[in-house]
Amino acid sequence: EADIYQTPRYLVIGTGKKITLECSQTMGHDKMYWYQQDPGMELHLIHYSYGVNSTEKGDLSSESTVSRIRTEHFPLTLESARPSHTSQYLCASRTRLNTEAFFGQGTRLTVV
Amino acid sequence: GEDVEQSLFLSVREGDSSVINCTYTDSSSTYLYWYKQEPGAGLQLLTYIFSNMDMKQDQRLTVLLNKKDKHLSLRIADTQTGDSAIYFCAESNNQGGKLIFGQGTELSVKP
Repeated sequence: EADIYQTPRYLVIGTGKKITLECSQTMGHDKMYWYQQDPGMELHLIHYSYGVNSTEKGDLSSESTVSRIRTEHFPLTLESARPSHTSQYLCASRTRLNTEAFFGQGTRLTVV
Repeated sequence: GEDVEQSLFLSVREGDSSVINCTYTDSSSTYLYWYKQEPGAGLQLLTYIFSNMDMKQDQRLTVLLNKKDKHLSLRIADTQTGDSAIYFCAESNNQGGKLIFGQGTELSVKP
């Protein structure tokens, strides 16, 4: 059973608002990831972290930023949301030995 | 760069076997994964295989890996309507640690 949690599950906000999507895991995993999932299903890596104070940009350019101050917590922030940010955001974490990778339930963001 | 490809749709009858295929380009892939995603949900890890294996079986699921051809498949025996979902193939290597996903295969199981 994976212990990785994302909040909120659903969010509808107005253009220009600042938002933070939360992701927490209680498994002590060093590696954590944020993916953006298109309506057409494909997942794109937007940020990842190998541990505390480590953050890297993924393959898809994103206007979001992330931080990793604690092992268990990997929040994603949008300073000024736009309709083009409407998507599902999925957080994942991975074991130290790079075997299993577990996903949270996702946050479905709608910017109006 | 790394790339993972899957066919987009598969339709089968209940009780038949389903085979979902995946190809990848990274010759240094270490682990290959299959995930299942139901509508509105996150990704559920079904199984994974280490690159030095060629087969792994777990109840109704069989994973076959052809490392030479960089081809991975997931066979679901006795497919049920509850297996209808999107199935993602993913690969990673130990160098970068990133998980790279295919586009997903939508499996439709008809009664």
